[in-house]
Amino acid sequence: EIVLTQSPGTLSLSPGERATLSCRASQSIISNFLVWYQQKPGQAPRLLIYGASSRATGIPDRFSGSGSGTDFTLTISRLEPEDFALYYCHQFGTSPQTFGQGTRVEIK
Amino acid sequence: QVQLVQSGAEVKKPGASVKVSCKASGYTFNTFGFSWVRQAPGQGFEWMGWINAYNGKTNYAQKVQGRITMTTDTSTSTAYLELRSLRADDTAVYYCVRELEGPDYWGQGTLVTVSS
Repeated sequence: EIVLTQSPGTLSLSPGERATLSCRASQSIISNFLVWYQQKPGQAPRLLIYGASSRATGIPDRFSGSGSGTDFTLTISRLEPEDFALYYCHQFGTSPQTFGQGTRVEIK
Repeated sequence: QVQLVQSGAEVKKPGASVKVSCKASGYTFNTFGFSWVRQAPGQGFEWMGWINAYNGKTNYAQKVQGRITMTTDTSTSTAYLELRSLRADDTAVYYCVRELEGPDYWGQGTLVTVSS
């Protein structure tokens, strides 16, 4: 199975700063079938990015995704208070689908 | 708007079975598939399998193969997950996830607790 490794585990930043989250795959992800989610406590994940780089409906343009093959990045250009949360990457191109272990973005 | 509403929390004894439902609305049910994903307390996500809501074709994760059945009922726009021979390590929040060209909407989650 494809192992997704997210780094860092925790990112401590202040509002207004830039966040860069990494997701590295153990093998190439087919057709960029990679998505990013945001999850807040007690809630289901919310889709942010699909196809590695396309924003989902209603997602602010401060969120952007990039990458291909085995290396992917989620960038939040200027952190807003509501952006402090957990972020996960997820590949669905190869069965079994797999998830990264998550990156926590916390207030510094 | 798209909504996936799951059934309520369950408490089961080891060896029992559980069936979780996911009622969809706001779109044409059989044009999408569903994955089921679980998240154990304080842990990451584990994909359990996928079902095509149009023809019922399934693809189950090897870890739960033999204990799992996914079905859909197009008359009620509902997807179901049944897990049998429950063990303590099946304790988790179970989510249904709509999929077409990729996952997008998630249900709110159903907590299944397995305890003697």
